[in-house]
This record gives sequence, C-alpha cells and structure tokens, in this order.
Amino acid sequence: GESVGLHLPTLSVQEGDNSIINCAYSNSASDYFIWYKQESGKGPQFIIDIRSNMDKRQGQRVTVLLNKTVKHLSLQIAATQPGDSAVYFCAEKNDYKLSFGAGTTVTVRA
Amino acid sequence: NAGVTQTPKFRILKIGQSMTLQCTQDMNHNYMYWYRQDPGMGLKLIYYSVGAGITDKGEVPNGYNVSRSTTEDFPLRLELAAPSQTSVYFCASIGVHTQYFGPGTRLTVL
Repeated sequence: GESVGLHLPTLSVQEGDNSIINCAYSNSASDYFIWYKQESGKGPQFIIDIRSNMDKRQGQRVTVLLNKTVKHLSLQIAATQPGDSAVYFCAEKNDYKLSFGAGTTVTVRA
Repeated sequence: NAGVTQTPKFRILKIGQSMTLQCTQDMNHNYMYWYRQDPGMGLKLIYYSVGAGITDKGEVPNGYNVSRSTTEDFPLRLELAAPSQTSVYFCASIGVHTQYFGPGTRLTVL
C-alpha cells in the first residue's frame, strides 16, 4: 500500500510493498530537511537528509524527494519490512532551528 | 564515541521541585537542541544552542532554562516543576553530516 499527496497520521503497509510517507513543511526559507524514525520508547533515529538545493536523494532502501514549489517532502521506503514499523517524522532546519512535523505511524502487515 | 547521552533516564518530581536534565555529546557538534514530546505527539523545541555561550528560545521555553558553557554539555533546568511539564525530554546535536538524539528522559511531575 502507498499513500501519495496528503499527509496521513497512520499508514498500514503489506510487508514487501513500497511505502510513501508525506510531509508538508512550513517555511520556504528552510535549507535542510531530515527524516527520522522513532520506535516505541526510543529517541528519534536519523534516516536520511536532503539540502534545499537538491530534489532527490537516495539511501539504502530509502529515497527522499523534495518539492520546494509546494513545500512538500516525501520518504519512500522500498520493500517494507516488519522492522520498519515505527513513527516517522520530517524535520526542517531554518535559521538554526530544527522544527518537526506531525508524525506518521507506519504499521507493517505480515 | 558515545554520541548523545542523557541523564537521568527517569525521574518523578513533586510540584515546585527543581531539577537539571543533563545532556552531553562527544562529537564536537556546535548545534544542540532540547525537545519535549508528549504522549502520541510530535517534538516541540524548548531551547537550542549554536555554540558554547550561545542559547536561544524555541517554541515552548516557559518554565525552563539552559546554559552552554562548553561545546559538550547542554543542561536543561526546571526551576518550579509543574504537572504540565510531565513529558519525555530529548536532547539532540547536529554536525555537518551527522545528527543524533539522546535516549530521552521520562519526567513525571506529581
């Protein structure tokens, strides 16, 4: 299952499918964006980042897309695994401040 | 290299008591941040620092104070604890290409 476009607070994905998590950021002057994963009872863990002069960056099984025109950020996870179940947050950095968006809870179905 | 460490892990305070949440990083990062996370919610920025001797308020600074006498340490002080300060507190540090969160301090004010 995938979700595209709107930010959703929850996302249920079949194991092996691709996931897309969306985030709308607020400040057009933000120059740096980060995706974090937070598992229950733990602190946020860095996944991938992207600077505002880029529109795409790939990591291991993850891709971040940045659309500055509509102030939208997305995280794509390929071949979603049970260990990907967590809350995912996007963060934007502007003028030294690092501000977080509303999280998306991803649940992976076996 | 321990990353970001926070102490204590858990604490229960009575209304009106004071305490200091400790945060230390060993990565020589200039940027450090304090966040609070209420149950089921995102992270709200309390204070941040861009280097030793420099601190600034975030979104929710009331009831808290910080100091940054060294690059490594960024303690958060609660002077008169209130039930509204019951939360999980996370410290983070950001370098050029790395960023880490501490494991969090779970604080309950009764």
